[in-house]
Amino acid sequence: SQQGEEDPQALSIQEGENATMNCSYKTSINNLQWYRQNSGRGLVHLILIRSNEREKHSGRLRVTLDTSKKSSSLLITASRAADTASYFCATSDSGTYKYIFGTGTRLKVLA
Amino acid sequence: SAVISQKPSRDICQRGTSLTIQCQVDSQVTMMFWYRQQPGQSLTLIATANQGSEATYESGFVIDKFPISRPNLTFSTLTVSNMSPEDSSIYLCSAPGGPDTQYFGPGTRLTVL
Repeated sequence: SQQGEEDPQALSIQEGENATMNCSYKTSINNLQWYRQNSGRGLVHLILIRSNEREKHSGRLRVTLDTSKKSSSLLITASRAADTASYFCATSDSGTYKYIFGTGTRLKVLA
Repeated sequence: SAVISQKPSRDICQRGTSLTIQCQVDSQVTMMFWYRQQPGQSLTLIATANQGSEATYESGFVIDKFPISRPNLTFSTLTVSNMSPEDSSIYLCSAPGGPDTQYFGPGTRLTVL
């Protein structure tokens, strides 16, 4: 299977704490993206990091990418109850536009 | 940005029947994609649908089970044929908005009894 792996599979934290989730992938990539999915609904794009970037920030989100280890991490700072969702990484190689999704992390933020 | 809609949003079907899911994009796109998300799982790509050619299926998915139409640059359908309870999933379509962007529809939640 080409699917990436994410860990942890599930994460439960208190509101205000930081949440870190990791993604590993198997092939060379053009970019890596993180998505959020609330309760089995549609996907919301969070952030993209290109293969030549190492770190990127967007609001309370911080993404890192280590292409030598084929891994990425997503950090959500000062978490809120509204951040409760499943988070998926997705990779694409150049030219195909096909996305391979990771296994996902289910985040629960307790108020 | 592209807006993608899907119909139906959800359905409950009997085993052995078929369901056709529609996906509409508000702009012309060359490629559209269909994904399946089984309960509690991640998304798995079913096929790539290009206008004017047959869909390209990923390993484990076949045209007889998941026939796809792509009649124009803004529309595609996915049919789930001869359904069984194992087909209960969320089915999502997507389209690229550029080299680094992919837009997803809201999904169709299918339950097969």
